[in-house]
Amino acid sequence: EIVLTQSPGTLSLSPGERATLSCRASQSVSSSYLAWYQQKPGQAPRLLIYGASSRATGIPDRFSGSGSGTDFTLTISRLEPEDFAVYYCQQYGSSPPITFGPGTKVDIK
Amino acid sequence: QVTLRESGPALVKPTQTLTLTCTFSGFSLSTSGMCVSWIRQPPGKALEWLALIDWDDDKYYSTSLKTRLTISKDTSKNQVVLTMTNMDPVDTATYYCAHLVRGVISHWGQGTLVTVSS
Repeated sequence: EIVLTQSPGTLSLSPGERATLSCRASQSVSSSYLAWYQQKPGQAPRLLIYGASSRATGIPDRFSGSGSGTDFTLTISRLEPEDFAVYYCQQYGSSPPITFGPGTKVDIK
Repeated sequence: QVTLRESGPALVKPTQTLTLTCTFSGFSLSTSGMCVSWIRQPPGKALEWLALIDWDDDKYYSTSLKTRLTISKDTSKNQVVLTMTNMDPVDTATYYCAHLVRGVISHWGQGTLVTVSS
């Protein structure tokens, strides 16, 4: 089973700053099957990035994804007030097919 | 437009069996590549994947919960059902159903909070 680790657990930043979130896999993950989601309190998660680096429909270009193999990164170039949330990475592969990371909370400094 | 809606009891007693139904629209689960998954989230905690069923009726389960889970589909009704046996207070969570295409969760239901308490 592929285990995803996210760091840091919490990232305290100010609006306008750059956020760099890490997702590390215990085994190599196909880039085609690495996604990032944003979740705000009381809401279902929302797809941000799929295929490690492709933005989902309607996602602003301040969000970008990169990485391959076991190391992936979500970058928010300039934090907007609505970006303070929890971010999860997710992989799709062999049995079991889906795992999530534990999440990174981006909160206001 | 893809939509999914979870339904089921808000409260179950310990040892009971939970049955949740996901009713969806905007896609057919008989179309190649389509999948529906169940995911849960205990209050204040992370997402946990539970089960997945695909267009070909292949089923996959969380390693840690597979002895307690059953997923099934009714293509004619556009529904996916999840049963979880022997419920415990630690199973208290918001349960989401979600639509996947090629491993990507493109749409989520709003979630349903299930509390396990006597």
